[in-house]
Amino acid sequence: GAGVSQSPRYKVAKRGQDVALRCDPISGHVSLFWYQQALGQGPEFLTYFQNEAQLDKSGLPSDRFFAERPEGSVSTLKIQRTQQEDSAVYLCASSLEKASYEQYFGPGTRLTVT
Amino acid sequence: EDQVTQSPEALRLQEGESSSLNCSYTVSGLRGLFWYRQDPGKGPEFLFTLYSAGEEKEKERLKATLTKKESFLHITAPKPEDSATYLCAVQESGGYQKVTFGIGTKLQVIP
Repeated sequence: GAGVSQSPRYKVAKRGQDVALRCDPISGHVSLFWYQQALGQGPEFLTYFQNEAQLDKSGLPSDRFFAERPEGSVSTLKIQRTQQEDSAVYLCASSLEKASYEQYFGPGTRLTVT
Repeated sequence: EDQVTQSPEALRLQEGESSSLNCSYTVSGLRGLFWYRQDPGKGPEFLFTLYSAGEEKEKERLKATLTKKESFLHITAPKPEDSATYLCAVQESGGYQKVTFGIGTKLQVIP
């Protein structure tokens, strides 16, 4: 069956531009997570959705980062006025139930800010 | 704040040479400890969840164990296709959904 998909796979943005990253979770999965992974590091939690409700956004690094999941399926992570330090791989993961014990990750979007 | 420390950062093994990866963690109350495998250019792939000290889980050549302060991922007679970065992560109890990852151990298995 289809896994988690993310688009675009690669994005190059000039500093100051806004970007939008899309995540299509596995159909029927309740929980959705966004992570940021810098080169050589582990994923860092950004935010969590249970259906359409954003229950935890404690990991968003600044108010330039915004995430939504309006219908409880597809999610978008938006970064406004991108900075060089935003360059990273952005990973989306979904899990079937409220508990996040087994998360299924997408391939990620590699964002490069020049 | 939850902390996860993995060692070694990199490990090079000959095919068939068994070894262990370590994950030390600090968390106020453990809801679960997770092991993932990550191949270059891909998202992490779930391997195991451990919930309480003394628990063990196995999958093919991999066996994960858990104590109150650390977890080990034992690799028995590894093959080149086991080469990947192995990530450990913890989730705190108390209804929090945040998962904290370590930086991983990059394993290379040489034929």
